Amino acid sequence: QVQLVQSGPEVQKPGASVKVSCKTSGYSFSLYGITWVRQAPGQGLEWMGWISVHNGNTNYAQNLQGRLTLTTDTSTSTVYMELKSLRSDDTAVYYCARGYGSGSFIYWGQGTLVSVSS
Amino acid sequence: QSALTQPASVSGSPGQSITISCTGTSRDVGGHNYVSWYQQHPGEVPKLLIYDVNNRHSGVSDRFSGSKSGNTASLTISGLQAEDEANYYCSSYTTISTLVFGTGTKVTVL
Repeated sequence: QVQLVQSGPEVQKPGASVKVSCKTSGYSFSLYGITWVRQAPGQGLEWMGWISVHNGNTNYAQNLQGRLTLTTDTSTSTVYMELKSLRSDDTAVYYCARGYGSGSFIYWGQGTLVSVSS
Repeated sequence: QSALTQPASVSGSPGQSITISCTGTSRDVGGHNYVSWYQQHPGEVPKLLIYDVNNRHSGVSDRFSGSKSGNTASLTISGLQAEDEANYYCSSYTTISTLVFGTGTKVTVL
């Protein structure tokens, strides 16, 4: 069965970076892109960006350009989300989801809470 | 890219029908037919209900239906049930190959 398993919770200080992993299994990794979505406490869903595993193409939300980097490791079927220069308003649950393009995501990771606090 | 506009809350009695709107622009909702709807219960992962405007995901009750007119998409829940109490989000692909979510709607079953 398709699974997306994310790394554990993180606590970071303002200005630091965080790297969250999304390890996939149960399907052919190169056939699907991966999307990242975040949700601040009590708030709605926010699309962050996506990566085509097939060719490495990425597209990021304008407000995260320059701070967000998505990468893949095909040897472990894992996608990484790195966010730099963290601010307190980056505190959120970060989700990975399988899909790229149409925006219909059936399979999601369990979410990773990233807390940014001094 | 601004979030799509949804009503903050919608309520209805069991058995009634409710409709949630999702208003965007010609650069997103009105630009193509890649509109999806998600249900999210507190503390849970979002669950896909509808994709490509009006296609129900496998296993989703036929009480959920989607439609679109111009720059506004809609989700209708008929025969409202207690288990439908949740937050609902629309999403739309955009003309610059990004994605945008709606602001979210809390559905309350009275």
